[in-house]
Amino acid sequence: QKEVEQDPGPLSVPEGAIVSLNCTYSNSAFQYFMWYRQYSRKGPELLMYTYSSGNKEDGRFTAQVDKSSKYISLFIRDSQPSDSATYLCAMREGNTGKLIFGQGTTLQVKP
Amino acid sequence: GAVVSQHPSRVICKSGTSVKIECRSLDFQATTMFWYRQFPKQSLMLMATSNEGSKATYEQGVEKDKFLINHASLTLSTLTVTSAHPEDSSFYICSARDRRGGRANYGYTFGSGTRLTVV
Repeated sequence: QKEVEQDPGPLSVPEGAIVSLNCTYSNSAFQYFMWYRQYSRKGPELLMYTYSSGNKEDGRFTAQVDKSSKYISLFIRDSQPSDSATYLCAMREGNTGKLIFGQGTTLQVKP
Repeated sequence: GAVVSQHPSRVICKSGTSVKIECRSLDFQATTMFWYRQFPKQSLMLMATSNEGSKATYEQGVEKDKFLINHASLTLSTLTVTSAHPEDSSFYICSARDRRGGRANYGYTFGSGTRLTVV
């Protein structure tokens, strides 16, 4: 079993739709939870980070963490074609500082 | 914001030769650099962690003699792929951990990646 599980998709939605992306994890040592966006052949770009259970909002993006269920989500409201990319969840071990990534979900937002 | 410059962005080399990839933190000092490789449509796999002035720590299954990592200063880390073979062809990405605290220290900053093709 992988430490971080993420459905690779692809996920295709119409412009304006609400997108829900999810990851589950098994390691209780993870303390920080991140979402990255990666465009083709580019490095990942940090979108959201959180270190506690609950919701965190930033513009059209909302990150949700449920530590008791070991489940994190990213919601994108009013999705735009420019949101088309691969979204990676990542989790950081408290002791080592390592980031462990999910497989990434490929999102396509159609105009 | 924090920027990590990674070069080259793309390199093609002959089998058996060595390739060096550089990562520089431009506006901050990086206490730790992480090196990843990514195969098409797959996630980032951590290869090694390097701390400035000390030897890199490699993940299980990564050959330290093949993937040489140097982190000689707080702003520069290099990955050298020695005696490259076609199976080493991949997308290599570095990330840097800012020595300062705050937001910059949570998710780290990634370079733009290097696409290595060994022919």
